[in-house]
Amino acid sequence: DGGITQSPKYLFRKEGQNVTLSCEQNLNHDAMYWYRQDPGQGLRLIYYSQIVNDFQKGDIAEGYSVSREKKESFPLTVTSAQKNPTAFYLCASSLRDRGITDTQYFGPGTRLTVL
Amino acid sequence: RKEVEQDPGPFNVPEGATVAFNCTYSNSASQSFFWYRQDCRKEPKLLMSVYSSGNEDGRFTAQLNRASQYISLLIRDSKLSDSATYLCVVNMLGYGGSQGNLIFGKGTKLSVKP
Repeated sequence: DGGITQSPKYLFRKEGQNVTLSCEQNLNHDAMYWYRQDPGQGLRLIYYSQIVNDFQKGDIAEGYSVSREKKESFPLTVTSAQKNPTAFYLCASSLRDRGITDTQYFGPGTRLTVL
Repeated sequence: RKEVEQDPGPFNVPEGATVAFNCTYSNSASQSFFWYRQDCRKEPKLLMSVYSSGNEDGRFTAQLNRASQYISLLIRDSKLSDSATYLCVVNMLGYGGSQGNLIFGKGTKLSVKP
């Protein structure tokens, strides 16, 4: 099946720890994105990557880091510098044509809770 | 200013009702418009893209008004399974490179009752 997978589904972290969230896609999409969603809020862009080995900060990149070593994979690390990391994290991917931004498709998300 | 605004609701409607949501956006240069559906504690899923000429998919109709910078979603003959939060999404040119990135509204919650 083609799609986007995220793991783990639920993650608990102690304060001061770094954690890495996995995102993999087999849709052959060029672009990948990480969003954060807090209760009652819209999605906020953390980082995005349009091609392999390149990524850009979104609106709320502080306290997060990413890598894009393979087209299929875009892991997100939540560092101890992120002051309020408890949230629902969503990964998405899209084709990145020379035209308009294409539709984004989402993975099932990871719920991170800091204890 | 990059912004997409929606009425958060909730819209509580009986089965079979017709319900409409509106969404306004601030960037007049936006080119792509979408409605996504998000169920409780799940990921957003594309409901439909919105084209300049308007488009229909079964019970769902989307309209775009570029002059007034708003898009709408009409749901006819509401089903219990339509209960969800509906996200208005707009491509914002100049935000995130030359092709722009998507800006998500906070969503409108719909609850369809028997």
